[in-house]
Amino acid sequence: IAGITQAPTSQILAAGRRMTLRCTQDMRHNAMYWYRQDLGLGLRLIHYSNTAGTTGKGEVPDGYSVSRANTDDFPLTLASAVPSQTSVYFCASSDTLQALYGYTFGSGTRLTVV
Amino acid sequence: ILNVEQSPQSLHVQEGDSTNFTCSFPSSNFYALHWYRWETAKSPEALFVMTLNGDEKKKGRISATLNTKEGYSYLYIKGSQPEDSATYLCAFSSGNTPLVFGKGTRLSVIA
Repeated sequence: IAGITQAPTSQILAAGRRMTLRCTQDMRHNAMYWYRQDLGLGLRLIHYSNTAGTTGKGEVPDGYSVSRANTDDFPLTLASAVPSQTSVYFCASSDTLQALYGYTFGSGTRLTVV
Repeated sequence: ILNVEQSPQSLHVQEGDSTNFTCSFPSSNFYALHWYRWETAKSPEALFVMTLNGDEKKKGRISATLNTKEGYSYLYIKGSQPEDSATYLCAFSSGNTPLVFGKGTRLSVIA
């Protein structure tokens, strides 16, 4: 089934550790996004990629990095995790940045930093 | 940072009631307004993408209207059913940047 796969589903991580959240799509979408969901704050954009080889910062990029080496994969890395990065992370994609067909979301990664 | 406001924050209705929510967004640099349905423990799913002022879209018992001049959109649910219980998100698009989401309206339909 075409869509987005995120891994892991959930993770408990010690503060200071490095962690990469994986996101893969098989829809050949050009644009991909990482959002975090926090209670009372809704979905906030961390980083995005308009097309393979390009990335951009969102509203809350600090402490996170991304890469887009190819069309399908858009990993999110936390270089040195802190408790404030405890959140649910959603990867999404769209055919283009204009997204006239809407976003397709992954199932999310629940990350707890202790 | 763009401000996308949704109201009410939460809503409880009886099965069979009709209901509506509001999304307010900037009226400048408008490209599209999205609505998503987000069930608990699942991912958001696109309902509508609306681009034209005065546009109306419908999917089953759910419909949406758009006013780009004054910067608001309404989502209507006719004859609410328990399976309509979800959080409904709207998101603003300027066309050249990613979507900015509102915080959502959480709907609970009581049987």
